[in-house]
Amino acid sequence: QQKVQQSPESLTVSEGAMASLNCTFSDGTSDNFRWYRQHSGKGLEVLVSIFSDGEKEEGRFTAHLNRASLHVSLHIREPQPSDSAVYLCAMSRPNYNVLYFGSGTKLTVEP
Amino acid sequence: EAAVTQSPRNKVAVTGGKVTLSCNQTNNHNNMYWYRQDTGHGLRLIHYSYGAGSTEKGDIPDGYKASRPSQENFSLILELATPSQTSVYFCASGEDWGLQDTQYFGPGTRLLVL
Repeated sequence: QQKVQQSPESLTVSEGAMASLNCTFSDGTSDNFRWYRQHSGKGLEVLVSIFSDGEKEEGRFTAHLNRASLHVSLHIREPQPSDSAVYLCAMSRPNYNVLYFGSGTKLTVEP
Repeated sequence: EAAVTQSPRNKVAVTGGKVTLSCNQTNNHNNMYWYRQDTGHGLRLIHYSYGAGSTEKGDIPDGYKASRPSQENFSLILELATPSQTSVYFCASGEDWGLQDTQYFGPGTRLLVL
């Protein structure tokens, strides 16, 4: 079974400073990676999907994927207090549309 | 964007009782999923479905049944609820498998089993 580890467990940044979140995975055959955001008491909102090594930008959110090092990251440019939430990475293997999730990073953005 | 709704949003049940969680999606997606979310575990897949009439076991299916009577509806059934099933349950839907497939999540159901 795919193992997905997220770090840090929690992160506090000041408004406007870059926030960086990390995710490592155990299965190098994964080819489908996503970052979700979950505000307190709410469902999951997809932020960025990335399928090949390199960088993918969606607005203020940029994902970096390096399959050789089993690592995917999320960088949030100019975070706002409204970005305070739990961020979850998820991945799946080829031809198997089941997602494996990390346990999340709780991000707090202070004004 | 996909619209996925869940009912009830909150539920208190007694040990040994039967609980049914319902999910409805309105975007004609073939695939639907049930996850539970617990502190320290992220989301874990319980059951999923590729279409009406089909159900498949996920990673933690024990103690749960699923039913997909139609394209739009996918239910999760706890025949004999236990306190260990206290959790937040999320339903999701997605289109056929492909690199661009994205799962869209409902708002969740908080279940407390006493």
